[in-house]
Amino acid sequence: DAGVIQSPRHEVTEMGQEVTLRCKPISGHNSLFWYRQTMMRGLELLIYFNNNVPIDDSGMPEDRFSAKMPNASFSTLKIQPSEPRDSAVYFCASSRILSGANVLTFGAGSRLTVL
Amino acid sequence: RKEVEQDPGPFNVPEGATVAFNCTYSNSASQSFFWYRQDCRKEPKLLMSVYSSGNEDGRFTAQLNRASQYISLLIRDSKLSDSATYLCVVTAEAPYTGTASKLTFGTGTRLQVTL
Repeated sequence: DAGVIQSPRHEVTEMGQEVTLRCKPISGHNSLFWYRQTMMRGLELLIYFNNNVPIDDSGMPEDRFSAKMPNASFSTLKIQPSEPRDSAVYFCASSRILSGANVLTFGAGSRLTVL
Repeated sequence: RKEVEQDPGPFNVPEGATVAFNCTYSNSASQSFFWYRQDCRKEPKLLMSVYSSGNEDGRFTAQLNRASQYISLLIRDSKLSDSATYLCVVTAEAPYTGTASKLTFGTGTRLQVTL
């Protein structure tokens, strides 16, 4: 099992550029989460999907952020246009139910720096 | 008030010491509780679930107090390798549907175990 795979691991871009982060969840997991982590705010849930359907996107900061999950094995988080305050580590996590509770497995994260 | 609150620390303890962290949550309807561990510049990983009756896993003991809306993590005989940030996680809905519900993370408590 390769775990949750995220790409790119690091990205440095300039303000105004489009950024696309990618995630491949663990096969058989039916839920996928996007989190953002900063020193000041910790881990913030941006959006999550159940069976490829977005369930809660209330954490998406603004219209510049969008997320898609076209199939069970792939999701993207897009920022357009990017701003310096978007600099953070973006984690994707997938989930299965274990003994009635969610168990999240995280990817290694995508570290984004917007100059 | 934040949904999940933790003392950020750091807690600096000598090897072999016992250390305890608390975490409070604001939503009385919260159903599932977890502790995750995050090493520096790594992704969070599940440490243990927290059950109503309390549970133990080796040197780690987790307790839940629904009346006061807090959970705790006790680490006995701490090791250098326990140095990490410990994240408290709370979910509001029981995943009876077999799919995931929203998981909210605290900002974490940093533990540094020294010689």
